Amino acid sequence: GQQVMQIPQYQHVQEGEDFTTYCNSSTTLSNIQWYKQRPGGHPVFLIQLVKSGEVKKQKRLTFQFGEAKKNSSLHITATQTTDVGTYFCAGASGGGADGLTFGKGTHLIIQP
Amino acid sequence: DGGITQSPKYLFRKEGQNVTLSCEQNLNHDAMYWYRQDPGQGLRLIYYSQIVNDFQKGDIAEGYSVSREKKESFPLTVTSAQKNPTAFYLCASSATQGSPLHFGNGTRLTVT
Repeated sequence: GQQVMQIPQYQHVQEGEDFTTYCNSSTTLSNIQWYKQRPGGHPVFLIQLVKSGEVKKQKRLTFQFGEAKKNSSLHITATQTTDVGTYFCAGASGGGADGLTFGKGTHLIIQP
Repeated sequence: DGGITQSPKYLFRKEGQNVTLSCEQNLNHDAMYWYRQDPGQGLRLIYYSQIVNDFQKGDIAEGYSVSREKKESFPLTVTSAQKNPTAFYLCASSATQGSPLHFGNGTRLTVT
């Protein structure tokens, strides 16, 4: 079945440093979605990427979808303490049990 | 405001007892999902439903059961057959299968 690998599992950064998390799918995706989960909270949808090579920005967050639609990245510029949490990618293949397969997430820990 | 309501937030049960977790949505979404989250495991799909009176097993359905008698409601029963039921349970909905998920606040179940 489809697998989505996400790295790193944990990332410690100093406040103000940049952060990047990467997702790789074993199959070509129809779209990829990114979610953020604050400690003690629930995942919240951030963005969906659909087109090959697509790049989208939300303030300090930049999302990319690979040309082959099998990989994606989330980059945060100049992290702030409010960025703390776990970032999940979820790939949609158009098939599979629910059409969405989640990566295991990257835990972002920020040291002030 | 539209959203997903899960109740209760915390639930404690003795081993051997069945327990039902509630999930209600007023987003008029067709698809609903149940995920289990364990530390370091990401989100694993238990059951999903694309339409009333129909549902499918996800990746870890053993020891769980669901019903979808109304569009708004998708309760999950954790049965005594589930060998390791202590976990954080998240309900989600989406307009269609594979589209962005809206999550509830989750129910943290502890079985002793």
